[in-house]
Amino acid sequence: DVVMTQTPVSLPVSLGGQASISCRSSQSLVHSNGNTYLHWYLQKPGQSPQLLIYRVSNRFSGVPDRFSGSGSGTDFTLKISRVEPEDLGDYYCLQSTHSWTFGGGTKLELK
Amino acid sequence: QIQLVQSGPELKKPGESVKISCKASGYTFTNYGMYWVKQAPGQGLQYMGWINTETGKPTYADDFKGRFVFFLETSASTAYLQINNLKNEDMATYFCARGTTAYYWGQGVMVTVSS
Repeated sequence: DVVMTQTPVSLPVSLGGQASISCRSSQSLVHSNGNTYLHWYLQKPGQSPQLLIYRVSNRFSGVPDRFSGSGSGTDFTLKISRVEPEDLGDYYCLQSTHSWTFGGGTKLELK
Repeated sequence: QIQLVQSGPELKKPGESVKISCKASGYTFTNYGMYWVKQAPGQGLQYMGWINTETGKPTYADDFKGRFVFFLETSASTAYLQINNLKNEDMATYFCARGTTAYYWGQGVMVTVSS
């Protein structure tokens, strides 16, 4: 089974600042079809997760360009620039190349 | 618009069963698999498995083999999760999500297990 290691667990930020979250997989997430199925979600308190980035670097409809995803193979990063209050919450990566595995989550909170 | 609407909160006793629904609208139900995710209180997201909405074939993650059942009512564009012989550790919020990329999620169903 693929293990997703997400860091940090907690990330204090200042409004207007930048945040970076890492996800590392125990094996390559490149599918046999050449695509890499690594996605990022934000879960706000009391809500269901919402898709931010799909397949490493593609922003979902309506997601501000302050959110960006990058990476390849086993190493992936979500960057949030100019953090706003509505960005606070729990972030999860998900790999769906080999079944599904979620990262452990990162709580983005105010410094 | 695309929506996944789940049934309401449940309060059950240990040993009972619970059936959670996930009604899809705004797209062709059989075009995307339906995935199930568990979130225990204060914890992260845990993949439970998925059901092929074309064939009805369920696939269960290892931790969810035995007491957990996925099934469909295709005519009603609805997927179901049934949990049998409830245990305290089943107390959680259960989400359905559309397709392998989980573009869309249901609002979640909180299941409370208490004697």
